[in-house]
Amino acid sequence: QITLKESGPTLVKPTQTLTLTCTFSGLSLSTSTVGVGWIRQPPGKALEWLALIYWDDDKRYSPSLRSRLSISKDTSKKQVVLTMTNVDPVDTATYYCAHKPSGVAHFDYWGLGTLVTVSS
Amino acid sequence: EIVMTQSPATLSVSPGERATLSCRASQSLTSSLAWYQQKPGQAPRLLIYGASTRATGIPARFSGSGSGTEFTLTISSLQSEDFAVYYCQQYKNWPPITFGQGTRLEIK
Repeated sequence: QITLKESGPTLVKPTQTLTLTCTFSGLSLSTSTVGVGWIRQPPGKALEWLALIYWDDDKRYSPSLRSRLSISKDTSKKQVVLTMTNVDPVDTATYYCAHKPSGVAHFDYWGLGTLVTVSS
Repeated sequence: EIVMTQSPATLSVSPGERATLSCRASQSLTSSLAWYQQKPGQAPRLLIYGASTRATGIPARFSGSGSGTEFTLTISSLQSEDFAVYYCQQYKNWPPITFGQGTRLEIK
């Protein structure tokens, strides 16, 4: 059974750096072309893709947020970490991590999400 | 960036009836399109990928069709649990992966 779970702070102050961790089980990040991505959803709004890391440590970022994002993985710990610098209240959202299967770029398994509020 | 446009924004349908949701892409996707269902307070759930392939465990009343720039999600006979928000997502040309703005399916 594949599961993913997001963890991190629920409240962050503007200009601070947000660090989120996705801990997964039941999937291998050693399999060719699989990946783990991050997607966010502001309250009442649509989904927005942020970043994705491949099995081989290749990384892809949303062009609009690339300068503020960093994604990394620790395969031995079964974790993927997303860092977002210089947060703003508009970054308030539920952040999801999700599994990208081999060879395609949709997301077949999702974590429950974690709500992050940016406020002073 | 490929822009995804869903219509209508809200669809009111009675239980047992058919629902048809549309998704249009700003450029051709061939068949690189997925559909998700999201209920309040829950994560999105993959329904369809490759424009028409049902994901594991998805009931047969859900079907996807289309190619190029025009896609449709059809729910053949609405059950109470199907009332939710539905998103399309393209993965033909990325980054960025892009989602539509969603269609809210509500009970008529």
